Amino acid sequence: GAVVSQHPSWVICKSGTSVKIECRSLDFQATTMFWYRQFPKQSLMLMATSNEGSKATYEQGVEKDKFLINHASLTLSTLTVTSAHPEDSSFYICSASSPGLASYEQYFGPGTRLTVT
Amino acid sequence: DQQVKQNSPSLSVQEGRISILNCDYTNSMFDYFLWYKKYPAEGPTFLISISSIKDKNEDGRFTVFLNKSAKHLSLHIVPSQPGDSAVYFCAASVGADGLTFGKGTHLIIQP
Repeated sequence: GAVVSQHPSWVICKSGTSVKIECRSLDFQATTMFWYRQFPKQSLMLMATSNEGSKATYEQGVEKDKFLINHASLTLSTLTVTSAHPEDSSFYICSASSPGLASYEQYFGPGTRLTVT
Repeated sequence: DQQVKQNSPSLSVQEGRISILNCDYTNSMFDYFLWYKKYPAEGPTFLISISSIKDKNEDGRFTVFLNKSAKHLSLHIVPSQPGDSAVYFCAASVGADGLTFGKGTHLIIQP
């Protein structure tokens, strides 16, 4: 149980274009989903928290107009990187939590490798 | 300012022995602590957690110890197996908020 998927697993895009990453909870309803970013040899850094049906909460330093997050249903959240630049190249990982599970435990997707050329 | 610290970038342990991974934190508001195992280019896999009201939680070969006064926790793996080789991340949260991660410890189990 507690399986989270992400799509795509990797994507290459040109500078200036937008990329959408999907995060799905497959066997539970995720009231809260989180988006993290990991640069090479660095730790995972929380970007934003999204609750179903409400606006995402962004961490300090994360541009909300650049990283658009939508949590339209209890099983799907999307992250859109708008006007991507090479410095946005990173490993993006989502996680999900649910009151049905221990509320503080988060289950992670497999991640999406974004490369901006 | 790093609120969760894993000061050992790597640790090498012989197969069958005990692996002890350490983690320190500075934010006294953290009330949940979690350990994740991660392979390159994959998402973290949840291993074990502990709330701040406890000092020990055990699940099979994995035991997490929490010392609140020292703001220190550790993960014990006994016995260590080759499949345990991976990067281990310590993470902490305030309630159900997003997680703050340490930088990870690369555990290498030697045959």
